[in-house]
Amino acid sequence: DIQMTQSPSSLSASVGDRVTITCRASQGISNYLAWFQQKPGKAPKSLIYAASSLHHGVPSKFSGSGSGTDFTLTISSLHPEDFATYYCQQYNFYPFTFGQGTKLEIK
Amino acid sequence: EVQLVESGGGLVQPGGSLRLSCAASGFTFSTYTMSWVRQAPGKGLEWVSAIRGSGDNTYYADSVKGRFTISRDNSKNTLYVQMNSLRAEDTAVYYCAKARIVGNWDFDLWGRGTLVTVSS
Repeated sequence: DIQMTQSPSSLSASVGDRVTITCRASQGISNYLAWFQQKPGKAPKSLIYAASSLHHGVPSKFSGSGSGTDFTLTISSLHPEDFATYYCQQYNFYPFTFGQGTKLEIK
Repeated sequence: EVQLVESGGGLVQPGGSLRLSCAASGFTFSTYTMSWVRQAPGKGLEWVSAIRGSGDNTYYADSVKGRFTISRDNSKNTLYVQMNSLRAEDTAVYYCAKARIVGNWDFDLWGRGTLVTVSS
């Protein structure tokens, strides 16, 4: 199975900051990489697919990049509603696997 | 409105069985791959299973292979997962998720989830 490793596992930031989360795959997955946001007690929300394409309705302050094994999610100018847990997922090979999550907290 | 609504969760004893359902609306259900994803309390997301639109092809995580069976009834716009030989480690919120476009695997829509608790 492909292992997805996110870093950091947790991150403290302030409103207005720009943050970057990294996701590394244990083998190449081309650009079959998605990012999700999850708030406590809620279902995940799809943010990005194909490593860099935003889902409909997702604000442009979210951006993704990468290909192969290394990927990043960047959130520019954090707002209070952006503090949540973020997950990456590869969907190139079964079983589809998620990263362990990055909890973004308010400093 | 495009939505997914899971049901069927509850408390079950170890070794028991449960069938979850996911009712879909607002899109042509039969053309999209659907998946189940679970989340144990306080833990991360774990992909469980997927099924092609036609129902002919199914895929499972090793952790559930041989115990869970995914299926769908396209006439009822409903996705299922039959869970047998349940273990304590199957305790989780189970979400169904829809593929973004026909023929793809990435998700664009999630249900709210249903909680399964395996305990004596």
